[in-house]
Amino acid sequence: GAVVSQHPSRVICKSGTSVKIECRSLDFQATTMFWYRQFPKQSLMLMATSNEGSKATYEQGVEKDKFLINHASLTLSTLTVTSAHPEDSSFYICSASRTGGYEQYFGPGTRLTVT
Amino acid sequence: AQSVTQPDIHITVSEGASLELRCNYSYGATPYLFWYVQSPGQGLQLLLKYFSGDTLVQGIKGFEAEFKRSQSSFNLRKPSVHWSDAAEYFCAVGESSGGGADGLTFGKGTHLIIQP
Repeated sequence: GAVVSQHPSRVICKSGTSVKIECRSLDFQATTMFWYRQFPKQSLMLMATSNEGSKATYEQGVEKDKFLINHASLTLSTLTVTSAHPEDSSFYICSASRTGGYEQYFGPGTRLTVT
Repeated sequence: AQSVTQPDIHITVSEGASLELRCNYSYGATPYLFWYVQSPGQGLQLLLKYFSGDTLVQGIKGFEAEFKRSQSSFNLRKPSVHWSDAAEYFCAVGESSGGGADGLTFGKGTHLIIQP
């Protein structure tokens, strides 16, 4: 159990367009989901925490108007990169935790390339 | 603010030799500690975790880690490495705000190279 999926796994978009990434918990309900970003050969950096039914909490330095997060149900969170630019190219990984749980279950990641 | 230090960026080990990857953390309270492994272009796989209790934790693939509060360390060990262990290893720290998990703080990672 505790499987998290992400869609798409890879996406290429043109500069100025928006792209949506989905994160789903397949076999459990996730009250909290997290979005991380990983640049090539670097570590993961927490971008934001989303709780079902409420606004996401963004880490310092992350533009909330650029990275829109919606957590409308207990199994789905979405990250929309608006007006994407080449510097937004990165590996985006989501994770989810059960209600009251401390462990996070990670998705396989989404590779975003902005041309 | 919490921080995680993995002092070794690269480590090269001969196949069959023992391995220890270092992790030190800075945290205000008792943290929750994790080790993850990542193959190129892939997501994270949890190797082991420490929440409380026995400070020696057993994980998958023959890995273990020991939580040492006095040294603020959570080093990962394996008695005999296999070529398939070559990957990037991340130590991560989290805490709970009381209602569940908070976001994790990751170390910069250690790239493990296995020599034949």
